[in-house]
Amino acid sequence: GQNIDQPTEMTATEGAIVQINCTYQTSGFNGLFWYQQHAGEAPTFLSYNVLDGLEEKGRFSSFLSRSKGYSYLLLKELQMKDSASYLCAREGAGNMLTFGGGTRLMVKP
Amino acid sequence: DTGVSQDPRHKITKRGQNVTFRCDPISEHNRLYWYRQTLGQGPEFLTYFQNEAQLEKSRLLSDRFSAERPKGSFSTLEIQRTEQGDSAMYLCASSPRSNEQFFGPGTRLTVL
Repeated sequence: GQNIDQPTEMTATEGAIVQINCTYQTSGFNGLFWYQQHAGEAPTFLSYNVLDGLEEKGRFSSFLSRSKGYSYLLLKELQMKDSASYLCAREGAGNMLTFGGGTRLMVKP
Repeated sequence: DTGVSQDPRHKITKRGQNVTFRCDPISEHNRLYWYRQTLGQGPEFLTYFQNEAQLEKSRLLSDRFSAERPKGSFSTLEIQRTEQGDSAMYLCASSPRSNEQFFGPGTRLTVL
């Protein structure tokens, strides 16, 4: 995705915590989405950040720094079912989303 | 099921043929988006409708691609003279006046 950078792959252990980082171009920025996508399935919404700070939702939290063009998704108490791709998406004009290439997370026992 | 639906789920076609995909958004969602996704990549924006008006088209959308949303409800995406490079998952998403986009299951196109 244009100007959206996130790691290609990450591996973590069941029960652990993992942080997936995303950097983006700040011009014309409206908000930052995180989506989860299991192989062969559609993306499903995880979080949306507009203001700076941390948004917590159960085991998943998302952080945004508008000035730095930086976000991260934090996954706690990892479960095997969390193995998926995590997509960072920058919202621009018209609610159009520009996606990063996705981070494929593998959770191992 | 009141989510976004897409039809067909899979399409195999020969190079040079035309294909048409349909998307039914969540009822009363006025915004509808088409994306294309290839293996190992994030979705790439193709085009966007607000009600029946097509407001934005990506540079990725060549002249062979056309999308319509005639009554502001369902949408169709047509690809003419398909090429092998068109093989991808075509995703539709809809959105109410808020920001979240709800994705359909996608149509997987294979061009032989």
